[in-house]
Amino acid sequence: ILNVEQSPQSLHVQEGDSTNFTCSFPSSNFYALHWYRWETAKSPEALFVMTLNGDEKKKGRISATLNTKEGYSYLYIKGSQPEDSATYLCAPERGGSEKLVFGKGTKLTVNP
Amino acid sequence: GAVVSQHPSWVICKSGTSVKIECRSLDFQATTMFWYRQFPKQSLMLMATSNEGSKATYEQGVEKDKFLINHASLTLSTLTVTSAHPEDSSFYICSALSYEQFFGPGTRLTVL
Repeated sequence: ILNVEQSPQSLHVQEGDSTNFTCSFPSSNFYALHWYRWETAKSPEALFVMTLNGDEKKKGRISATLNTKEGYSYLYIKGSQPEDSATYLCAPERGGSEKLVFGKGTKLTVNP
Repeated sequence: GAVVSQHPSWVICKSGTSVKIECRSLDFQATTMFWYRQFPKQSLMLMATSNEGSKATYEQGVEKDKFLINHASLTLSTLTVTSAHPEDSSFYICSALSYEQFFGPGTRLTVL
């Protein structure tokens, strides 16, 4: 059973602040890590799929890094905006099976 | 982008009744769909993998006779919660697999 930890559980920042949060997962048998953004009452939206150690991905003001040897990924948001308010989920993929194991998420609130 | 719908978005039913939830991929075909549920303050947990034209595969601890899955076409999977009880009250969400998992918006089930 994969144990996926995300921290912090929740985060309140002011508009314009940069922020980051962590996803920890077992480093053994790593295949891929997925990040999702989930706004209330909407569908989770895929942000990144990361596979290689040292991988860095960027989408607008959001970026992510991956360390498969130590089992963690960071998600960064530069210059947070109120529309970034959402729960950010990470999910390692179980051995290439396409099956995702989700963390509980980090709930980000950006105050105007 | 790929869109997945779910119906209904919420349902309230009496204990002992059965409830059917539909998951549709609107603009792509999906041989594989996944069903998850989320209890309050918990992570999304995979329940089962739905495969078009074959039997679903269930995760450990998920009763296949209680949660009936039918993937009758490449765009539709249904989850039927049979003889629902209050402990089945949860948030059920599906995803359809293309080059990544695209999620529906979820269904809130409340069993009285």
